[in-house]
Amino acid sequence: NAGVTQTPKFQVLKTGQSMTLQCAQDMNHNSMYWYRQDPGMGLRLIYYSASEGTTDKGEVPNGYNVSRLNKREFSLRLESAAPSQTSVYFCASSEKKLAGPSSYEQYFGPGTRLTVT
Amino acid sequence: AQTVTQSQPEMSVQEAETVTLSCTYDTSESDYYLFWYKQPPSRQMILVIRQEAYKQQNATENRFSVNFQKAAKSFSLKISDSQLGDAAMYFCAYTPNAGGTSYGKLTFGQGTILTVHP
Repeated sequence: NAGVTQTPKFQVLKTGQSMTLQCAQDMNHNSMYWYRQDPGMGLRLIYYSASEGTTDKGEVPNGYNVSRLNKREFSLRLESAAPSQTSVYFCASSEKKLAGPSSYEQYFGPGTRLTVT
Repeated sequence: AQTVTQSQPEMSVQEAETVTLSCTYDTSESDYYLFWYKQPPSRQMILVIRQEAYKQQNATENRFSVNFQKAAKSFSLKISDSQLGDAAMYFCAYTPNAGGTSYGKLTFGQGTILTVHP
């Protein structure tokens, strides 16, 4: 199993350009998440998808859109990149288990380092 | 809104010694989960240990253990017999078990950088 994969690993954009970060998981998880990591602020939730066909805003959704293409894939789109979106982006997935071992345990991808100049 | 606070931006420890990383959180929920994640320089997020709030017994995983104080809303991580490979950023994280409606959304602390000296 590859777990959670993300592409690309690195990207440099100019202000105003658009791009889509891709994420896929092969663990048959229902829930998927996008986080951003900034120095001194930990990881913050951008959007999440509780199940195929549903998406919802997290803590910092402005400037982003998402698509849950199918159960495996969850993409994050920047329509018009801004320097404030320079960050490391992580995709994660989890099985929706309300109790027992591995409840809410999230599995993370390797991250995408995005720089907007 | 829930918050998670890690008040130690950086910590250091000698190899083979013990170190404790602190985490406090604020929530009005009574049922929730707490996690410690490790992020080495490779950037990969690795789950170290988890604690279920309704379990009074502190979780342990080999050299890693937690001190969970529910009333004080404190969740510290103890690393015993520290190894060079333990050097990383450590994040504390929280998610409520609000009947499943939270969908596992994690709230993270700011992180603590742990340096291990040989």
